[in-house]
Amino acid sequence: DAKTTQPPSMDCAEGRAANLPCNHSTISGNEYVYWYRQIHSQGPQYIIHGLKNNETNEMASLIITEDRKSSTLILPHATLRDTAVYYCIVRSNQGGKLIFGQGTELSVKP
Amino acid sequence: DGGITQSPKYLFRKEGQNVTLSCEQNLNHDAMYWYRQDPGQGLRLIYYSQIVNDFQKGDIAEGYSVSREKKESFPLTVTSAQKNPTAFYLCASSLPGLAYNEQFFGPGTRLTVL
Repeated sequence: DAKTTQPPSMDCAEGRAANLPCNHSTISGNEYVYWYRQIHSQGPQYIIHGLKNNETNEMASLIITEDRKSSTLILPHATLRDTAVYYCIVRSNQGGKLIFGQGTELSVKP
Repeated sequence: DGGITQSPKYLFRKEGQNVTLSCEQNLNHDAMYWYRQDPGQGLRLIYYSQIVNDFQKGDIAEGYSVSREKKESFPLTVTSAQKNPTAFYLCASSLPGLAYNEQFFGPGTRLTVL
């Protein structure tokens, strides 16, 4: 599975959009991009995933570049409860294990 | 409510003792996973099971053992051979195989070995 690179931390003002970047330059054609988040001392929570098209659900939007070497998770109106560590993961279309890096610690401030 | 339960939330053991962490799910998922998380780190895979009576080692299986006798249950035993057992342990489950099957995580068990 391909590796990902994320900034270790980011701040965002409450009510503003949070844009979390992820580089996955070695991604292969059969690998999906997944995003999970983990609030302190809880289990990770699935947010969204995509292959090559942009995706949107009730939690977030996922923008994947045309060359698929990077992506951005967008939380359109961040709240204090969105403060968490966000993990970007690439995973084979054969499924199996998720490989978690260190993620981005997002702090949403009032 | 469907979900994954892990018990207990906090567990203390003396060094040299084996300890078994419970993980139960009622989501009818075939695949189950155990991860370990150390402070400030991401999750690392210990063992996973795609189907009952079958399981595979993950990246850090040494010092751990599992069983999968029932679809709903995937207990993890931390043996005395595990050199640094103090950590946060997370169990997850999913439908098997395909990449679009998200993993659902339990609340975790924080193990402290004294």
